[in-house]
Amino acid sequence: EDKVVQSPLSLVVHEGDTVTLNCSYEVTNFRSLLWYKQEKKAPTFLFMLTSSGIEKKSGRLSSILDKKELFSILNITATQTGDSAVYLCAFGSSNTGKLIFGQGTTLQVKP
Amino acid sequence: DGGITQSPKYLFRKEGQNVTLSCEQNLNHDAMYWYRQDPGQGPRLIYYSQIVNDFQKGDIAEGYSVSREKKESFPLTVTSAQKNPTAFYLCASTKGGYTDTQYFGPGTRLTVL
Repeated sequence: EDKVVQSPLSLVVHEGDTVTLNCSYEVTNFRSLLWYKQEKKAPTFLFMLTSSGIEKKSGRLSSILDKKELFSILNITATQTGDSAVYLCAFGSSNTGKLIFGQGTTLQVKP
Repeated sequence: DGGITQSPKYLFRKEGQNVTLSCEQNLNHDAMYWYRQDPGQGPRLIYYSQIVNDFQKGDIAEGYSVSREKKESFPLTVTSAQKNPTAFYLCASTKGGYTDTQYFGPGTRLTVL
């Protein structure tokens, strides 16, 4: 059975800290790995990764995929209170056309 | 404005009643998806549709039904057979056939009284 596991489940940091969120997966027919940010409403897209070892970057956020070790990380540097949210990773299957989500990591950034 | 709309935002229903949630997109996307999200969990797939007049069950389809008569519309009916329907329901769409980036609508929060 395909599975996506995120860690930690929750995290509390102070503004300016750097955080690393983890996503590991056990899946067949891997096509892509996606990261979303959810703030009490619908998830918003952050990154999609398909190739191993290539970092995707957007401002203070970055992500990288390791297809050999079956994990991805999402880094947030110089955190701000506006980064407080649930971060979801999801695996995309090449033969089923659907996303399988992890349970999410709840990040709280304190002033 | 292009995007995905869901209505209503909040919905209350009595036990034993069917209810239909609306999802419309004007992005000209081919594929549409329905997810259910419970507190502390990631979204789980209910149904998805790659093309008009065709749809497939996701991981938790029991107690739900869908239709895809038009490309831009993918309504979800929560039937009385769904034992625990209170949840946050999310609709998503993608341009391509398989797991291109999925974009989500604002969601409908359903509460069964």
